[in-house]
Amino acid sequence: DAGVTQSPTHLIKTRGQHVTLRCSPISGHKSVSWYQQVLGQGPQFIFQYYEKEERGRGNFPDRFSARQFPNYSSELNVNALLLGDSALYLCASSLTWTESSYEQYFGPGTRLTVT
Amino acid sequence: QKEVEQNSGPLSVPEGAIASLNCTYSDRGSQSFFWYRQYSGKSPELIMSIYSNGDKEDGRFTAQLNKASQYVSLLIRDSQPSDSATYLCAVKAGGYNKLIFGAGTRLAVHP
Repeated sequence: DAGVTQSPTHLIKTRGQHVTLRCSPISGHKSVSWYQQVLGQGPQFIFQYYEKEERGRGNFPDRFSARQFPNYSSELNVNALLLGDSALYLCASSLTWTESSYEQYFGPGTRLTVT
Repeated sequence: QKEVEQNSGPLSVPEGAIASLNCTYSDRGSQSFFWYRQYSGKSPELIMSIYSNGDKEDGRFTAQLNKASQYVSLLIRDSQPSDSATYLCAVKAGGYNKLIFGAGTRLAVHP
């Protein structure tokens, strides 16, 4: 079975631009979470979606937004890019969002560089 | 105080030895705990999940949880050079739908 897929793999953008990152979860998984990882740190939670509804939000500015589609795939959008947005953006899928089945499986990530 | 703390390492162990990785967390409401392995330039890979106090074994890996002490550990038996990676401890925030990660411990297994 295919794992979590993300596109694009790498992206270079200029300050002030907008970016859209895409994620498809593991077949059968209905929850998608987004994380930002900068070098030397652990992933930092941005959003979680389940059944197209936002179930969790991290401490990120409103420039960050996301949505989930009926097929459970998801998009992360970042507006007005800043140099500090340069990072590895990770998508993770899980069966549900309940306590007992919270194992999250990560995709390969999208490396975003803002110049 | 950081929410999830790990020693950054590097932790250097000889091949065949037991590697012991530790993690402490601050949220007493947390009930779900995870260990991920991340190779340089790659994404995190789930190794173990643990929900109850005590030990959980899977192959060469053993996760240990002590909620009273707010402490989670990962033991890797018969360490191999291929185990050399950064190990991330993750805790599900109590009452919130998010994982909180530590900064990770770098493990180096030398032949």
